Amino acid sequence: KAGVTQTPRYLIKTRGQQVTLSCSPISGHRSVSWYQQTPGQGLQFLFEYFSETQRNKGNFPGRFSGRQFSNSRSEMNVSTLELGDSALYLCASSWGGRLAQNEQFFGPGTRLTVL
Amino acid sequence: AQSVTQPDIHITVSEGASLELRCNYSYGATPYLFWYVQSPGQGLQLLLKYFSGDTLVQGIKGFEAEFKRSQSSFNLRKPSVHWSDAAEYFCAVGGNFGNEKLTFGTGTRLTIIP
Repeated sequence: KAGVTQTPRYLIKTRGQQVTLSCSPISGHRSVSWYQQTPGQGLQFLFEYFSETQRNKGNFPGRFSGRQFSNSRSEMNVSTLELGDSALYLCASSWGGRLAQNEQFFGPGTRLTVL
Repeated sequence: AQSVTQPDIHITVSEGASLELRCNYSYGATPYLFWYVQSPGQGLQLLLKYFSGDTLVQGIKGFEAEFKRSQSSFNLRKPSVHWSDAAEYFCAVGGNFGNEKLTFGTGTRLTIIP
């Protein structure tokens, strides 16, 4: 089975721009979660999508949004980029059920640099 | 709100030596606890998890962890480390209904010396 894939792997943007990151989960997985990883804050939960609906949400501003398609693929969008948005963005998928109980399978991440 | 503390930012051990990585959590009910490992340039991989039952859980790659409710701890152990164990290790706690997110600790970077 192919693992979780994320595209692009690296991205450089400037302040004020917007960016869209993509995640393809493991086949059969219906839950996709997004995390922001930075050296100072560690891993922080952004949101989770299940069956095209946002099911859980972290404490990030509205500039961070996401969506999930019928094939479970997910996109994350960040508008009006700030320097502090520079981070590794990780996507994780699981089969479904309760997010807090299930093993999540992580992709390699997208490294976003905001200049 | 749930939280996780990993007090050791960086640990260095010799190959073949034993290892213990500390994790303390804060959560009002019985927690769901996880240990994940992240190798350079890769995503996280689950090592083991605890939901209930036996407080000593076995994971992949020879790792084990012990849940101690009285100490709010879930320390990760390995009797003999290998050079390939060099990585960053994350402890995480999962919430319950209404707060399902996983909260991760800030991680412990493990360096192995020959």
